[in-house]
Amino acid sequence: EVQLVESGGGLVQPGGSLRLSCAASGFTFRSYWMHWVRQAPGEGLMWVSRINVDGSSTTYADSVKGRFTISRDNAKNTLYLQMNSLIPEDTAVYFCARDPYGFSPPDYWGQGTLVTVSS
Amino acid sequence: EIVLTQSPDFQSVTPKEKVTITCRASQSIGSSLHWYQQKPDQSPKLLIKYASQSISGVPSRFSGSGSGTDFTLTINSLEAEDAATYYCHQTSSSVTFGGGTKVEIK
Repeated sequence: EVQLVESGGGLVQPGGSLRLSCAASGFTFRSYWMHWVRQAPGEGLMWVSRINVDGSSTTYADSVKGRFTISRDNAKNTLYLQMNSLIPEDTAVYFCARDPYGFSPPDYWGQGTLVTVSS
Repeated sequence: EIVLTQSPDFQSVTPKEKVTITCRASQSIGSSLHWYQQKPDQSPKLLIKYASQSISGVPSRFSGSGSGTDFTLTINSLEAEDAATYYCHQTSSSVTFGGGTKVEIK
């Protein structure tokens, strides 16, 4: 069974940092592109970042570029999102999702982890 | 950035009624348009990919159509379990989502 389990969310002050993790199981993690997508409370979905199968190619939404870094450890079947210089507008549930081909719709999503940026 | 505009924002529908949700792209995206369903406190579920391709396990009452800039998600004979927010999503140029359409059961 495909499973994606996010962790690392919590309350952080503006300007702070947080690292999210996404533990993958039930599929060959190293063969899939991966995404982070977030959803602010009561709002819609917003794509955050994408990484290719070996981590050599990454892309970001303009709103997080220069502050967030996506990475992966294929040996540990884990995806990461390092978030720096956090602002209140980053408050959201963060989902990881797998993408079979790199420019295809994510077919499995985790349950998400809540990040709250507030003083 | 390609902007996806969904309409309506909200729809209240009677069971067994037909539901039509539209998604318009700010520029042509071919058929790189996909549809998700999200129920409260759940993660999104892929319903339709590449405008009209069905997904295994998704009920046949869900269908998609369109190409270029105009796309439609149709739910034939709505069931109570279909109460959710529906999002369109494009992968033609970078990645963006529509604003969502909330479907409520009357």
